[in-house]
Amino acid sequence: AQSVAQPEDQVNVAEGNPLTVKCTYSVSGNPYLFWYVQYPNRGLQFLLKYITGDNLVKGSYGFEAEFNKSQTSFHLKKPSALVSDSALYFCAVRDMASLKAAGNKLTFGGGTRVLVKP
Amino acid sequence: DAGVIQSPRHEVTEMGQEVTLRCKPISGHDYLFWYRQTMMRGLELLIYFNNNVPIDDSGMPEDRFSAKMPNASFSTLKIQPSEPRDSAVYFCASRETGLDTDTQYFGPGTRLTVL
Repeated sequence: AQSVAQPEDQVNVAEGNPLTVKCTYSVSGNPYLFWYVQYPNRGLQFLLKYITGDNLVKGSYGFEAEFNKSQTSFHLKKPSALVSDSALYFCAVRDMASLKAAGNKLTFGGGTRVLVKP
Repeated sequence: DAGVIQSPRHEVTEMGQEVTLRCKPISGHDYLFWYRQTMMRGLELLIYFNNNVPIDDSGMPEDRFSAKMPNASFSTLKIQPSEPRDSAVYFCASRETGLDTDTQYFGPGTRLTVL
């Protein structure tokens, strides 16, 4: 079974400071990993994904994430946070070892609320 | 493309009434997913379709919930009868087949309130 953990319910950061949102995963095979962002009263928006290749993935709005296989982590980062980055962030995983069993399901973490203060 | 379209955006109904939520996926996408989001349970996958065929409905909470996809451009999620605990935001998402196009695209959601 695949699972995702986002250990922090909320992250507070001052504008201009670095932002990190943590995510760890558990799969039986190789993972596909995703980050989505949800702004108030909106649907989830895709930020970035890791499929294979370079462990550092760059995405939308200046975000990036680093895949660490040994630590089974995929933390989301932004060097300098903006007030407009305040939102709910979801990490998700798809286990490529169970393409048939799990089908095409993404398993989402519980979400981390990011609050960037001016 | 307009993206995934959901209607209505908001629905308020009374307990016992039938509720139908609608979704139009992105043209050309062959997978469609229905999710439910609540504060208590987070984001839950209810059911998903591939080429209009339901593949996995293990997340559907009970028999009061049903989903259909009569064609590639339309899906419904029906709750009959509705109960206050069904109050949530329901999202529809779609994606297309392909290892490089594994991203799901979400609609704006339908906020359901059952009184």
